[in-house]
Amino acid sequence: DIQMTQSPSSLSAAVGDRVTITCRASQTISRYLNWYQQKPGKAPNLLIYGASSLQSGVPSRFSGSGSGTDFTLTISTLQPEDFATYYCQQSYSPPLTFGGGTKVEI
Amino acid sequence: QVQLQESGPGLVKPSETLSLTCSVSSGSISNYFWTWMRQPPGKGLEWIGNVYYSGSANYNPSLKSRVTISVDTSKNQFSLRLNSVTAADTAVYYCARDRGGTNLYTFDYWGQGTLVSVSS
Repeated sequence: DIQMTQSPSSLSAAVGDRVTITCRASQTISRYLNWYQQKPGKAPNLLIYGASSLQSGVPSRFSGSGSGTDFTLTISTLQPEDFATYYCQQSYSPPLTFGGGTKVEI
Repeated sequence: QVQLQESGPGLVKPSETLSLTCSVSSGSISNYFWTWMRQPPGKGLEWIGNVYYSGSANYNPSLKSRVTISVDTSKNQFSLRLNSVTAADTAVYYCARDRGGTNLYTFDYWGQGTLVSVSS
């Protein structure tokens, strides 16, 4: 199985901050990497697919980059509604696997 | 926009079978892969498996011996069966649609999730 490692596991930030979350794959996955946002009690919501493509309806302050084994999710200007947990997921090969999550707190 | 809704018992006894159904509305189940995932309380996400509308299924090897995912195109539904459950199977279970095509294994529509507890 491909292991996905996110860092940090949690971070504290303020509204207006620039936030960067990293995700590392245990083997190369090209650009087959997705990012999801999950709020408490809700299902995950697709933000970024293919490492850098913005899902329809997602604000442009979210961006993704990377290829191979190292990826980043950046929130350019943190908004109050962005406080949530973020997960990366490899879509390279089954079994599909997720990172452990990064909780973004105030 | 496509909507998914999980349904099934919220409590299952140890050693019994967990059965859930996902109903798809405002869109056809045809031409897509459909997926089950789960999330134990306070933990991360685990991919259980998927099924194509034709009925072909793929499973996580960690659960393969206990899982069956099937589809009923006439009802626009797909289902999950997990047998011989233990407390470790307690989780919120999500169904989701796979975008497919060049973005296979990318989940763009999700159900709200249903908590299944395993307890006697």
